[in-house]
Amino acid sequence: GESVGLHLPTLSVQEGDNSIINCAYSNSASDYFIWYKQESGKGPQFIIDIRSNMDKRQGQRVTVLLNKTVKHLSLQIAATQPGDSAVYFCAENIRGYQKVTFGIGTKLQVIP
Amino acid sequence: GAGVSQSPSNKVTEKGKDVELRCDPISGHTALYWYRQSLGQGLEFLIYFQGNSAPDKSGLPSDRFSAERTGGSVSTLTIQRTQQEDSAVYLCASSFGQGGEKLFFGSGTQLSVL
Repeated sequence: GESVGLHLPTLSVQEGDNSIINCAYSNSASDYFIWYKQESGKGPQFIIDIRSNMDKRQGQRVTVLLNKTVKHLSLQIAATQPGDSAVYFCAENIRGYQKVTFGIGTKLQVIP
Repeated sequence: GAGVSQSPSNKVTEKGKDVELRCDPISGHTALYWYRQSLGQGLEFLIYFQGNSAPDKSGLPSDRFSAERTGGSVSTLTIQRTQQEDSAVYLCASSFGQGGEKLFFGSGTQLSVL
């Protein structure tokens, strides 16, 4: 299956600093991308999305960047807070198809 | 309901027993997904439903796994003759089913096979 046999990479960030979480997606035909946040004991929650006709999208304290040339996605979190500590997943989808494929995930640890 | 509901939240079973996991999606959502998440790992796609049909069953690990959905609503994931490697969190998600949209997840069922 997907993402089997690998341990999650971890990113440690000082409180107040900016965080950048990276993701390499697999399918060049994917045209919709989503970032999810998963806190301990909970299911993933939607953070922000971006479609392939955009390079950048901003939300509240979060920005997603898409580089289709190298199939790379990043999530930037400004002024990281302890409540941002979680596992972050990128996901990709192809328009017209329901299947959503998730990346391996990155664990973000915020140091107070 | 207000969100995706999964039951039970925890299930402990003995090796060789059958288990049923239930998912109640958000009302009006036509698409429903099952994922499996092993400890400290990513989300492994199992199956998705559009209405009561399952166009993609490619992620089911073996023929011990099956899923059904009735009335375009509740779904049940059944694992027969459970093995220790089946131990994981089983997550259900739903969406409006139009493609290119975000998923809403339940809190999952933690399955432990002894």
